Amino acid sequence: DAEITQSPRHKITETGRQVTLACHQTWNHNNMFWYRQDLGHGLRLIHYSYGVQDTNKGEVSDGYSVSRSNTEDLPLTLESAASSQTSVYFCASGRGTGELFFGEGSRLTVL
Amino acid sequence: GIQVEQSPPDLILQEGANSTLRCNFSDSVNNLQWFHQNPWGQLINLFYIPSGTKQNGRLSATTVATERYSLLYISSSQTTDSGVYFCAVPHRWGNKLVFGAGTILRVKS
Repeated sequence: DAEITQSPRHKITETGRQVTLACHQTWNHNNMFWYRQDLGHGLRLIHYSYGVQDTNKGEVSDGYSVSRSNTEDLPLTLESAASSQTSVYFCASGRGTGELFFGEGSRLTVL
Repeated sequence: GIQVEQSPPDLILQEGANSTLRCNFSDSVNNLQWFHQNPWGQLINLFYIPSGTKQNGRLSATTVATERYSLLYISSSQTTDSGVYFCAVPHRWGNKLVFGAGTILRVKS
């Protein structure tokens, strides 16, 4: 079965460290997205990509970066982790109809 | 940008009761999704419903795009229905989804 997987599912890191969250989908979807979920803010868009070599900033992109070197993967990098980036991160993918499918989430704690 | 409002924010039901959740959006859209976030945090696709009505077991959804709202019906609720229900619509440009704040549903046995 095609799917979308995130890793790691849980991570604890220290302020200032670089962190990369992986997202891999096997549906061959062109569109991929990263969201973060925080109490009181719901799900907010961080970065997104509509295809290989395409990346775009979402509403809360400061401190994050993504790269898209193939169709299957969109890793999210925190260059220098901050406590404000403690959150649950969700990756999603879709064909372009607007219907999105989400991974199981990655819980990141920055101490 | 487009605004998405969900109501009610919280709902407590006795097992077996029915409920209706509402999603209003501020601009015309060409699709809408409903998700259930279970107590383990997983986001589960319920409906992709640009317009009209769809049914899946005890759940059904109706979107009236011309009036900018969608309704999610849950019949004969079960404790496993507990969690947060989100609706989401695409931003005007592209396929980026904008989420409502969600409805927290608690079903008591």
